[in-house]
Amino acid sequence: GNSVTQMEGPVTLSEEAFLTINCTYTATGYPSLFWYVQYPGEGLQLLLKATKADDKGSNKGFEATYRKETTSFHLEKGSVQVSDSAVYFCALNNAGNMLTFGGGTRLMVKP
Amino acid sequence: DGGITQSPKYLFRKEGQNVTLSCEQNLNHDAMYWYRQDPGQGLRLIYYSQIVNDFQKGDIAEGYSVSREKKESFPLTVTSAQKNPTAFYLCASSIGAWETEAFFGQGTRLTVV
Repeated sequence: GNSVTQMEGPVTLSEEAFLTINCTYTATGYPSLFWYVQYPGEGLQLLLKATKADDKGSNKGFEATYRKETTSFHLEKGSVQVSDSAVYFCALNNAGNMLTFGGGTRLMVKP
Repeated sequence: DGGITQSPKYLFRKEGQNVTLSCEQNLNHDAMYWYRQDPGQGLRLIYYSQIVNDFQKGDIAEGYSVSREKKESFPLTVTSAQKNPTAFYLCASSIGAWETEAFFGQGTRLTVV
């Protein structure tokens, strides 16, 4: 079956630091990959996505590259802000048409 | 504006009672989903529906029931058989294609008192 594994948090960084949140997956075929962000007390919002190998998704300074050879989709940002503090979820969607989520990684950015 | 709306935002239930959480979307999406989120945890799939009048159990369907009588609506009932219902419930919808994202509502926080 499908599964997504994320690094456990919380990840605590100072403002303007470099961010990496690791995500690896197990799936048959060629899934689409997503990063969602959740702010306190809210639903999830799509941050970025990639639908085929070597695609790079990007949004709001965040980037992730679909690496089929390593089955990974790591999230990166060059300079985080306090406003980036949230929980980040990696997810995949496969031929079964259901999103499978990782456990989420809480990011805390200190001024 | 198109979107997905969950209500109420907060819900309190006495033990032994059934409660129904509302989820409505005006995005013309075929697929709808219910997820449960516990503190510090990821999302677990309760039920999903890919078309009107059809739905399937997810990973943790026991103690829950759903209906899909209209494309726009996918209500979730938390029954008294659900032994630990206190959680944050998220509804989502998508056009149903594997390469497209799901859109989420703002969630309903259910507390058993």
